[in-house]
Amino acid sequence: AQKITQTQPGMFVQEKEAVTLDCTYDTSDQSYGLFWYKQPSSGEMIFLIYQGSYDEQNATEGRYSLNFQKARKSANLVISASQLGDSAMYFCAMRERNAGGTSYGKLTFGQGTILTVHP
Amino acid sequence: EADIYQTPRYLVIGTGKKITLECSQTMGHDKMYWYQQDPGMELHLIHYSYGVNSTEKGDLSSESTVSRIRTEHFPLTLESARPSHTSQYLCASSKGSRASGRNEKLFFGSGTQLSVL
Repeated sequence: AQKITQTQPGMFVQEKEAVTLDCTYDTSDQSYGLFWYKQPSSGEMIFLIYQGSYDEQNATEGRYSLNFQKARKSANLVISASQLGDSAMYFCAMRERNAGGTSYGKLTFGQGTILTVHP
Repeated sequence: EADIYQTPRYLVIGTGKKITLECSQTMGHDKMYWYQQDPGMELHLIHYSYGVNSTEKGDLSSESTVSRIRTEHFPLTLESARPSHTSQYLCASSKGSRASGRNEKLFFGSGTQLSVL
């Protein structure tokens, strides 16, 4: 079974500063994928960034980057130059694979971190 | 980018009523999912489907049922709603078995907030 842990229930950051949201995972799979989603107060889930377990470089998508430390099983999200619109709930998720190595596509989500950006 | 639609957006209903939450996607995705989310909490997978006539129960036990008669449609039904079913229900879809890596990301609908009185 896989498990995603987000230990920060809430985080605060000043506008224009960078912030790191923590995510650790537990899996016995060699091949897996890690995703980050943003959920504003309106409730929709917005895809931010993806990191594959075999990717040698950390993923980046605009102001979002992923600090991937495979040995520590951590995949922290870094948001640079925070904006007021970044205030939302952030979820880390992992994609499962079955015993045959093919992907189910299902994502297992962490508990989430509420980010508040102060002006 | 996402072409996945859920109706209704909000539903308030009395105990014992039968309800169906609708979910449709126009992206031709083979895989579809239903997640349940309580306020401020994580998402729990309750049902998924890999294609027409394929449905499986997820990690969280649910009294709801689903059907997949058409690729684009994945409705969720509660035969007899109870207050314990009050939650947000999120429908999602993703590309088929040929997808890998980033292309396995889930596209989510806007969700249905269900309140059972």
